[in-house]
Amino acid sequence: QVRLLESGPGLVKPSETLSLTCTVSGDSIGGGGHYWSWIRQYPGKGLDYVGYIYYSGSTYYTPSLRRRVSMSVDTSKNQFSLKLRSATAADTAVYYCARGGPDYDHNYFDPWGQGTLVTVSS
Amino acid sequence: QSALTQPASVSGSPGQSITISCTGTSSDIGSYNYVSWYQQHPGKGPKLMMFDVDNRPSGVSNRFSGSTSGNTASLTISGLQAEDEADYFCSSYTSSGTLVAFGGGTKLTV
Repeated sequence: QVRLLESGPGLVKPSETLSLTCTVSGDSIGGGGHYWSWIRQYPGKGLDYVGYIYYSGSTYYTPSLRRRVSMSVDTSKNQFSLKLRSATAADTAVYYCARGGPDYDHNYFDPWGQGTLVTVSS
Repeated sequence: QSALTQPASVSGSPGQSITISCTGTSSDIGSYNYVSWYQQHPGKGPKLMMFDVDNRPSGVSNRFSGSTSGNTASLTISGLQAEDEADYFCSSYTSSGTLVAFGGGTKLTV
């Protein structure tokens, strides 16, 4: 059974960097074939696609975050990570990692992690 | 504001059928058969219920079915059960530049 688990600080100060890691079990990121994604859910319930990273390191970032976001992958640890610079209150959300695919432009997400709430506040 | 439009809420009695709609544009639902649906119970991560319009993942009840017509996708749940009470989100590939579009979610009350 594939499981994903997000980890990272639950509180980030404005203008600082939001950093999260997703640990995958039951599947190998290095095996390819999936697009390891970050999705956030705002307090009002709406979902927002942040982007993906492939095992090779190729990435896609949603245009509105492209100047502030970066993702990385560590296949030896079976983890992938998200960094969002210059955080603001508008970045407050539950952040989910998810396994996407089967192609970069054909994504459905299964499974998702349990999510982690990140609050941006001083 | 979400890219795909869903009703805020729907309700039904146990045993009944309900349909949740998801309206997009010719940049997403109207041109690609890449619609997926997710179920989310309170405090949990979303669960994939349907992919590529009308395909059920292994383990999902055949009470769930999907379809599209024009720019609108639909998720139908038949034989409603108390455990179906949850939020439901639609998603689609979009050629608009953001790659993935989500609906705002529909709260199903049984």
